[in-house]
Amino acid sequence: NAGVTQTPKFQVLKTGQSMTLQCAQDMNHEYMSWYRQDPGMGLRLIHYSVGAGITDQGEVPNGYNVSRSTTEDFPLRLLSAAPSQTSVYFCASRGPAGGYIGELFFGEGSRLTVL
Amino acid sequence: EDQVTQSPEALRLQEGESSSLNCSYTVSGLRGLFWYRQDPGKGPEFLFTLYSAGEEKEKERLKATLTKKESFLHITAPKPEDSATYLCAVEDSGSGGGADGLTFGKGTHLIIQP
Repeated sequence: NAGVTQTPKFQVLKTGQSMTLQCAQDMNHEYMSWYRQDPGMGLRLIHYSVGAGITDQGEVPNGYNVSRSTTEDFPLRLLSAAPSQTSVYFCASRGPAGGYIGELFFGEGSRLTVL
Repeated sequence: EDQVTQSPEALRLQEGESSSLNCSYTVSGLRGLFWYRQDPGKGPEFLFTLYSAGEEKEKERLKATLTKKESFLHITAPKPEDSATYLCAVEDSGSGGGADGLTFGKGTHLIIQP
């Protein structure tokens, strides 16, 4: 099992550019989420999904868009990048279908710099 | 609203010097408390889940305990490879948690010196 795979690992953008962070999991998890991690702020939830076709906002959703067309994939789109979106982004998943969802499994992270 | 406070923010120990990390929490109803380890440049890695007061779990040099208000991560005779940031998170069975029911603390940065 690969677990949770994120790409790219590093990305530099200019203000106003758009991009998509990819996330895929091979554990048949229903629940997937995106966090950003900033120094002194801890992990903050951006968006999450409890299953294919279902998404919802987290604590800091502005400037980000998500979709969940399959169980495996949960891409995060930055619509018009801003310097405030410079951060490390983590995708996570939890829970086999139909069971107690339990702990989160995290990807390795995507480090984004917006100039 | 749920709150998770971890202390200390940073801790430097000598190899072999045992200590404890604290995670204080307030929730309307605790479904589970999670401990994670995060190495620099990596994603958090799951360590333990605790569900009810009095519960304890161990893994190598780590032992996690839970009361109704806090959890401790005890580190016995640590080694340099135990250096990492340790994160605590709670899952609320009610409506007081984050949008997905989870609330994370900001972590304790642990350094074990040889």
